Amino acid sequence: DGGITQSPKYLFRKEGQNVTLSCEQNLNHDAMYWYRQDPGQGLRLIYYSQIVNDFQKGDIAEGYSVSREKKESFPLTVTSAQKNPTAFYLCASDRGNTGELFFGEGSRLTVL
Amino acid sequence: AQKVTQAQTEISVVEKEDVTLDCVYETRDTTYYLFWYKQPPSGELVFLIRRNSFDEQNEISGRYSWNFQKSTSSFNFTITASQVVDSAVYFCALSEAGKTSYDKVIFGPGTSLSVIP
Repeated sequence: DGGITQSPKYLFRKEGQNVTLSCEQNLNHDAMYWYRQDPGQGLRLIYYSQIVNDFQKGDIAEGYSVSREKKESFPLTVTSAQKNPTAFYLCASDRGNTGELFFGEGSRLTVL
Repeated sequence: AQKVTQAQTEISVVEKEDVTLDCVYETRDTTYYLFWYKQPPSGELVFLIRRNSFDEQNEISGRYSWNFQKSTSSFNFTITASQVVDSAVYFCALSEAGKTSYDKVIFGPGTSLSVIP
């Protein structure tokens, strides 16, 4: 079945460590996105990519980095510079720039 | 600036009751899209509907219906005869037709709906 796969589902890290969240899609979508979800705040855009080897900062990019070396993959690195990294992270892709987003099941990151 | 407001943080209803989730948006563009997404406990958001700013017709899909009123900048979502499986967080979202080919989707804070058996 086509879809978006995020891993790991749960992740714990110590302060000062970088961590990379995986996002893979087999929907053949060009555009991919990373959102952060905090209670009561909805989803906030971290980074997005419209095409391979290109990506743009979203509203809260500080402390995060991404790469887009393949169409299918859009990994997110949460760096030690991110002040409050504990959150639920959602990856999505867009079918034909319609705004209709397809989401993965998310990765919950907890910093100890 | 664009903004989506969902004033209802949490709603609880008894099964079979009707429930309306409110959504108010702000945008300066004349061309835009509105969306509703459902987030069940599994965490994955599921697309429910997309409307463009030129189509104010209300839409019905089974027990779901949407009321789009440009005059009040609202895009409300009604579930008729609610069921326990409707329990989820519902997000209203807005996308403006930007100057690039990419349309960012701005999400509201969400409304958590609990349907009690």
